[in-house]
Amino acid sequence: DTAVSQTPKYLVTQMGNDKSIKCEQNLGHDTMYWYKQDSKKFLKIMFSYNNKELIINETVPNRFSPKSPDKAHLNLHINSLELGDSAVYFCASSSNLGQPQHFGDGTRLSIL
Amino acid sequence: GEDVEQSLFLSVREGDSSVINCTYTDSSSTYLYWYKQEPGAGLQLLTYIFSNMDMKQDQRLTVLLNKKDKHLSLRIADTQTGDSAIYFCAEIPLSGNQFYFGTGTSLTVIP
Repeated sequence: DTAVSQTPKYLVTQMGNDKSIKCEQNLGHDTMYWYKQDSKKFLKIMFSYNNKELIINETVPNRFSPKSPDKAHLNLHINSLELGDSAVYFCASSSNLGQPQHFGDGTRLSIL
Repeated sequence: GEDVEQSLFLSVREGDSSVINCTYTDSSSTYLYWYKQEPGAGLQLLTYIFSNMDMKQDQRLTVLLNKKDKHLSLRIADTQTGDSAIYFCAEIPLSGNQFYFGTGTSLTVIP
């Protein structure tokens, strides 16, 4: 009964490849987020969607494209992967903007 | 931009109290959160407080907010080895348009 689930948990791939990370929440929340956590554990918001509409789009390379097919899903597609993309990516959701966020377990992305 | 700062490391002995501190700079109405991250896991919401409150207690956890000094603290009573983790404070203004996480405090509990 995982509330926020991400797949895959681990992703190891070569530089230049294109990959996607999927996120689903079964909490009935309206808002979903993607965060990047670097090797020093610093967390930075990347995107936020509210009712399938993009609300926050921080300074993120346009190689990163979020897609929200419905309120329960927010997927992250990354083109032309670079070494600096290696990090843990967290998906989160909240009932609405500004409300407590519930996090997935993260996707550990390693670029070779 | 907003600054949310925390000390990076804290060590305590099992059974003692831990106090993790956080300072922030936004003065508008806001929610302030504490999250716990265990190794290899996601962030678990521990507790939160609205900026018009001074204190919130939940079992072993006590959150204190000094709005004048923009200082937030999390006190863990009777700290256990299972409390070893990274603790993040986060400030999210009511508008919800910005999200600011602290740098995280790595708590080590010594048996």
